[in-house]
Amino acid sequence: DAGVIQSPRHEVTEMGQEVTLRCKPISGHNSLFWYRQTMMRGLELLIYFNNNVPIDDSGMPEDRFSAKMPNASFSTLKIQPSEPRDSAVYFCASSPDRKRGEAFFGQGTRLTVV
Amino acid sequence: AQTVTQSQPEMSVQEAETVTLSCTYDTSESNYYLFWYKQPPSRQMILVIRQEAYKQQNATENRFSVNFQKAAKSFSLKISDSQLGDTAMYFCAFMKHGNKLVFGAGTILRVKS
Repeated sequence: DAGVIQSPRHEVTEMGQEVTLRCKPISGHNSLFWYRQTMMRGLELLIYFNNNVPIDDSGMPEDRFSAKMPNASFSTLKIQPSEPRDSAVYFCASSPDRKRGEAFFGQGTRLTVV
Repeated sequence: AQTVTQSQPEMSVQEAETVTLSCTYDTSESNYYLFWYKQPPSRQMILVIRQEAYKQQNATENRFSVNFQKAAKSFSLKISDSQLGDTAMYFCAFMKHGNKLVFGAGTILRVKS
């Protein structure tokens, strides 16, 4: 299996622009998580889906952030408009079974907003 | 809400020696999972070891083992025969059955030759 695939690996954008991060979970996994990692705040859970349905989005910072999972093999995290404080590494992770718990992470997207 | 605390921001160990990383957590749940993840400079998050709360036996994976003290809500990671490739950030994480994965702040481990 190729693992969790995220794109792009790196993104540099100007403040005010729309940014879309993409994730392909491991086939057969039914839970998907979006995390943000910064030096100041560590790893924060933004949102997670189970069977394509958002279960908990309490970690989404504000209305500028939105996430979708139109099918079992694809998810997006969108920031519109982007701000410099959104600069971080964004991770997508998937889990095969909520009963087992472990999550498998993608390589992350390093976002820089200038 | 569940919280995970890693009180050691940084640790160092000589190659081939043993090091223990500390983790405590707070929960009112009885069924849950605990994990240690490793994040090397490549930034890839790698699962090191997993423990189910209902199992009293401590999990082991080759050179990695845990000391799980459920009553004390403690979950430490022991790395034996440390290798240079063990240099990384280590995160302790908690998941309640069917719920989200919550991470500690991490411990940077440096293995010295």
